[in-house]
Amino acid sequence: EAAVTQSPRNKVAVTGGKVTLSCNQTNNHNNMYWYRQDTGHGLRLIHYSYGAGSTEKGDIPDGYKASRPSQENFSLILELATPSQTSVYFCASGETGVQDTQYFGPGTRLLVL
Amino acid sequence: GQQVQQSPASLVLQEGENAELQCNFSSTATQLQWFYQSPGGSLVSLLSNPSGTKHTGRLTSTTVTKERRSSLHISSSQTTDSGTYLCAPWDYNVLYFGSGTKLTVEP
Repeated sequence: EAAVTQSPRNKVAVTGGKVTLSCNQTNNHNNMYWYRQDTGHGLRLIHYSYGAGSTEKGDIPDGYKASRPSQENFSLILELATPSQTSVYFCASGETGVQDTQYFGPGTRLLVL
Repeated sequence: GQQVQQSPASLVLQEGENAELQCNFSSTATQLQWFYQSPGGSLVSLLSNPSGTKHTGRLTSTTVTKERRSSLHISSSQTTDSGTYLCAPWDYNVLYFGSGTKLTVEP
């Protein structure tokens, strides 16, 4: 069974603080993605990666950095967290060329005070 | 990227009724995927359908690629179908999501 895990599952941060959200996949997929979902909205793409060492900007990258140190791990970094970044964050992995194999993690709820 | 519109935004059914969900997107998609998001938030892929009609269980998806639209039909709805249904066209290796249709099935 394909698996994507995220940590932490819940996080409270202060404005101006640094936040790191972590994602791990055991699927050996090349592609990994970070999305955020706000109430009443679908998922919006923040950053994605095609493999270790690569990161690409999605639709809403401002205020976020990403890091892909290995095939399995993909992190989302908020250097200076703001209340507008309060949201639910989802990580996903998928296989290049096999477009219907995208698996999602359980989500991380982030509250920035 | 893609702009994705889903309708209706919400739908309330009695158990046993059918549901028809619509999705329109702004540019040609190489693939079109429907997801179910549970009330707890987890996302599960229901089916992929780049064109034509595809069935799986009580679900039927019809995608008309040239018209950039897709529909999801749920037959004989059950209370366990309650949740949010998200349409997501692919653009190369990237998914773009609509805001979803929130379905509530009452007993």
